[in-house]
Amino acid sequence: KQEVTQIPAALSVPEGENLVLNCSFTDSAIYNLQWFRQDPGKGLTSLLLIQSSQREQTSGRLNASLDKSSGRSTLYIAASQPGDSATYLCASLIFLSSGSARQLTFGSGTQLTVLP
Amino acid sequence: NAGVTQTPKFQVLKTGQSMTLQCAQDMNHEYMSWYRQDPGMGLRLIHYSVGAGITDQGEVPNGYNVSRSTTEDFPLRLLSAAPSQTSVYFCASSSPLAYPYEQYFGPGTRLTVT
Repeated sequence: KQEVTQIPAALSVPEGENLVLNCSFTDSAIYNLQWFRQDPGKGLTSLLLIQSSQREQTSGRLNASLDKSSGRSTLYIAASQPGDSATYLCASLIFLSSGSARQLTFGSGTQLTVLP
Repeated sequence: NAGVTQTPKFQVLKTGQSMTLQCAQDMNHEYMSWYRQDPGMGLRLIHYSVGAGITDQGEVPNGYNVSRSTTEDFPLRLLSAAPSQTSVYFCASSSPLAYPYEQYFGPGTRLTVT
């Protein structure tokens, strides 16, 4: 059974700092890994998706990396801003043994606070 | 495209009541799923469907029922609500033909069972 872990559970940084959020998974046979942002009381916003054949993806100040062999992904946020304050979730996609069915397994998230 | 829509946004139920959470998508996605999110936790899979007429259980299926009569709709039924079902429910969809199978999420339904 796939397990996804995110460390730390909470992180507080001053504005302008570069930071890294960590995600680890136990089953390396993933098809992709997605990073989501969730604001309090809101739904999920997809930030980046890394295909299993890729090593990293970039979008603006965000860069996500994937190392399947070690079961790790990181989300790098450059020059953090107070507007980046949210919970960040990572999720790995695997195919179930039944064939076409797939399961997205989520970590419990890192709650980020960027202080002005 | 509206994407994935969910209704209602908020709901309060009494223990023992039943209700249906609605989910619809207009992207012609074959794969749809329901997740619940509890405080401080990630999302956990309740039920999923790989196409009309085909459904299966996820990680936490007890107390929930689903059916898939059309490609567009995937309702989640609570048969007899319990306080343990207080949670935020998310519906998601994706296409099996569109690698890398990105999942699209609805805005969620916040359910409180008293």
